[in-house]
Amino acid sequence: DIQLTQSPSSLSASIGDRVTITCRASRSIGTYLNWYQQRPGKAPRLLIYSASSQQSGVPSRFSGSGSGTDFTLTIKSLKPEDFATYYCQQSYSTPTYTFGQGTKLEIK
Amino acid sequence: EVLLVESGGDLVQPGGSLRLSCAASGLTVSGHQMNWVRQAPGKGPEWVSLILTGGSTNYADSVKDRFIIFRDDSSNTLFLEMNDLRVEDTAIYYCARISDDDDSDAFDVWGQGTMVTVSS
Repeated sequence: DIQLTQSPSSLSASIGDRVTITCRASRSIGTYLNWYQQRPGKAPRLLIYSASSQQSGVPSRFSGSGSGTDFTLTIKSLKPEDFATYYCQQSYSTPTYTFGQGTKLEIK
Repeated sequence: EVLLVESGGDLVQPGGSLRLSCAASGLTVSGHQMNWVRQAPGKGPEWVSLILTGGSTNYADSVKDRFIIFRDDSSNTLFLEMNDLRVEDTAIYYCARISDDDDSDAFDVWGQGTMVTVSS
């Protein structure tokens, strides 16, 4: 199975900050990498698909980049509703999809 | 509005069985690749099972030969039959649709989840 490693595992930031979360795959997955946001008690929500495409309805402050083994999710100008846990997911090795362990974004 | 509503989660003893349901509205279950994804307490999501539009199924190694995914087209409902349950199956179980707008295989629609607890 393809393993995904996210860093950092947790992150403290302030309203208005720009933050970057990294996801590294155990082998090359092209751009078959998706990002999700999960708020407490809620289901994951798709933010970015195919490494850099924004899902409909997602604010433009969320962006994704990368290919191969290294990917990033960037949130510019944090808003209060952005404090949540973020997961990457690979869809290269179908259907054995795997997720990263998560990055918890907390208010400083 | 597209909506997935899971039900059937419960407390069950190890070795027991349970059937989860996912009622869909605003989408036709048989027209999409539908999945079950679970999330153990404090952990990341884990893909469990998939049913393709043609009816073919796939399972994670951790549940193979114990879980069965199927759908009922007349009620537009997805199911997960869970047998020989283990403590490590304890999780929130979500049904989720794979987007068919592109080849990303991203999960673009999720239900609210149903909790399964396996404990003696």
